[in-house]
Amino acid sequence: EAQVTQNPRYLITVTGKKLTVTCSQNMNHEYMSWYRQDPGLGLRQIYYSMNVEVTDKGDVPEGYKVSRKEKRNFPLILESPSPNQTSLYFCASSSRVEGSPLHFGNGTRLTVT
Amino acid sequence: DQQVKQNSPSLSVQEGRISILNCDYTNSMFDYFLWYKKYPAEGPTFLISISSIKDKNEDGRFTVFLNKSAKHLSLHIVPSQPGDSAVYFCAADNAGNNRKLIWGLGTSLAVNP
Repeated sequence: EAQVTQNPRYLITVTGKKLTVTCSQNMNHEYMSWYRQDPGLGLRQIYYSMNVEVTDKGDVPEGYKVSRKEKRNFPLILESPSPNQTSLYFCASSSRVEGSPLHFGNGTRLTVT
Repeated sequence: DQQVKQNSPSLSVQEGRISILNCDYTNSMFDYFLWYKKYPAEGPTFLISISSIKDKNEDGRFTVFLNKSAKHLSLHIVPSQPGDSAVYFCAADNAGNNRKLIWGLGTSLAVNP
């Protein structure tokens, strides 16, 4: 089954404790992206990757890191989480064909206390 | 400054009737427009899209209309079913801008039996 898999689904952590949210897709997609969703602000792009070893900042990259060492994986790293990073996070992937839709994971609910 | 606006946060319709969800945009350079549906505790799923060179695209019960002069698109669901109850997001794709999607804030549709 074609899918984007994020882990964990739920995470509660404390300020400053480094964490990684994993994302994996099995559709051989070149493009991958991370979004956060907050009430009243909608979906905002954090980082994206056009291909292996190619990453770039989205609209809200501060406090986040990503890496793309393999085509299928695109982890999101919070080196020193803060409470304002409490949010719902989505990973997504797509082919680079114009107009092709994004496929989303089921989300990671992160709470930073 | 929101480039993609969904002005109705919520909509309620009776089962069997038509649901019309609206979306306005400001940037005439967008190449594609996409509609996504989101259930609670799941990621957004792609529903239907339309190229900026077309004015209508149909897929089963779902039809998207694009009015470029008015910078307006709408999603019609006919007939509406209770399983259609979800949040619907409109997104615009500027294909020349690294596949970045610009998202509306969503409309919550409730289809009442």
